[in-house]
Amino acid sequence: DIQVTQSPSSLFASVGDRVTITCRASQSITSQTNSDYLNWYQQKPGKAPKLLIYAASSLQGGVPSRFSGSGSGTDFTLTISNLQPEDFATYYCQQSYTAPYSFGQGTKLEIK
Amino acid sequence: EVQLVESGGGLVQPGGSLRLSCAASAFSFSSYSMNWVRQAPGKGLEWVSYITSGSSTIYYADSVKGRFTISRDNTKNSLYLQMNSLRAEDTAVYYCARGVNSNHNGVDVWGKGTSVTVSS
Repeated sequence: DIQVTQSPSSLFASVGDRVTITCRASQSITSQTNSDYLNWYQQKPGKAPKLLIYAASSLQGGVPSRFSGSGSGTDFTLTISNLQPEDFATYYCQQSYTAPYSFGQGTKLEIK
Repeated sequence: EVQLVESGGGLVQPGGSLRLSCAASAFSFSSYSMNWVRQAPGKGLEWVSYITSGSSTIYYADSVKGRFTISRDNTKNSLYLQMNSLRAEDTAVYYCARGVNSNHNGVDVWGKGTSVTVSS
């Protein structure tokens, strides 16, 4: 099974800051056709998760462009530029290369 | 509006059974793979099970294999999760979620979840 390790587990930042969250897979999750099977979600308290980025760097429809993703192989990052008040939430990565489709442990982004 | 609505959660004793349902609307349910994802109180997300559009391929997390069964009825636009031999550690909110490109592009539509509590 592929393990997904996310860091940091918590992060304090201010409105307007730029933050980066890292996700590392225990083996490559890039296919032979160079597709990266890593997705990022945002979850707010009491709500279902929301897909932000799929295939490592593709922005889901309706998601603000201040969210971006990058990486390949085993190392991936989610970057949020110009943090807005509504961005304070918990973020999860998930590998979709093969079942079981494991999630990272989550990163709680809190206001400094 | 594309929507998934879970039902069937509740309080059950250890060793008991429960069947969750998920009703899909406003999209071509039979064209999408589907998932169950759960979240224990105060914990992170845990993927539970996956089923392809035509039910030909099914996967389970090791933690539920042999106890849970995923199924779907495309004529009723519905997804199910039969949960047997329930344990305290199965206590969680269970989300029904739509897979994109056989899950390779993530899970893009989620229900609001149904709560399952396993306790005596």
